[in-house]
Amino acid sequence: EAGVVQSPRYKIIEKKQPVAFWCNPISGHNTLYWYRQNLGQGPELLIRYENEEAVDDSQLPKDRFSAERLKGVDSTLKIQPAELGDSAVYLCASSDAEAFFGQGTRLTVV
Amino acid sequence: QKEVEQNSGPLSVPEGAIASLNCTYSDRVSQSFFWYRQYSGKSPELIMSIYSNGDKEDGRFTAQLNKASQYVSLLIRDSQPSDSATYLCAGGGTNFGNEKLTFGTGTRLTIIP
Repeated sequence: EAGVVQSPRYKIIEKKQPVAFWCNPISGHNTLYWYRQNLGQGPELLIRYENEEAVDDSQLPKDRFSAERLKGVDSTLKIQPAELGDSAVYLCASSDAEAFFGQGTRLTVV
Repeated sequence: QKEVEQNSGPLSVPEGAIASLNCTYSDRVSQSFFWYRQYSGKSPELIMSIYSNGDKEDGRFTAQLNKASQYVSLLIRDSQPSDSATYLCAGGGTNFGNEKLTFGTGTRLTIIP
């Protein structure tokens, strides 16, 4: 069974540029999470979806971050414009009682 | 109080010994708990889940949950160098993880050969 797939694995962009991350969850998993992980810290939730509905986006910086999960399957997380402080690993996870993570996207903003 | 707290370590344990990792949690997470292992530069990997008071064993790993004291622990028996990693404790809500999953900061474990 395929796991959670994320792309790209790495991204380097200049500040003020836009960037997008893509996630394909495990088939049949209705719950999808986007987390951000800074070095030496645990993952911090950005947004949680149940099917196509964003049920918890309280920690998503909505002035520059947006996310969508069309048709309740794949999801995209976007940052526009990126800031230096957005450099981190962005993790997608999907869950059916237990959450499994994708490989993550390491974002570097220069 | 943070929702999930861990001792950040680092924790060093001789090979073959028992490694003990601890986590405390607040009332805001209450029903489901998970231990993830994260190797440097990799994403978290689920190794144990526990929902009920008591112990749950899986191979060399034992998770312990004490809801009265609000702590959850992970024991690794016969520690191996390959167990060297950061261990993340996570707490969920009532829907067995399908709610906000809150992570601690992780405990870095080093197994000394």
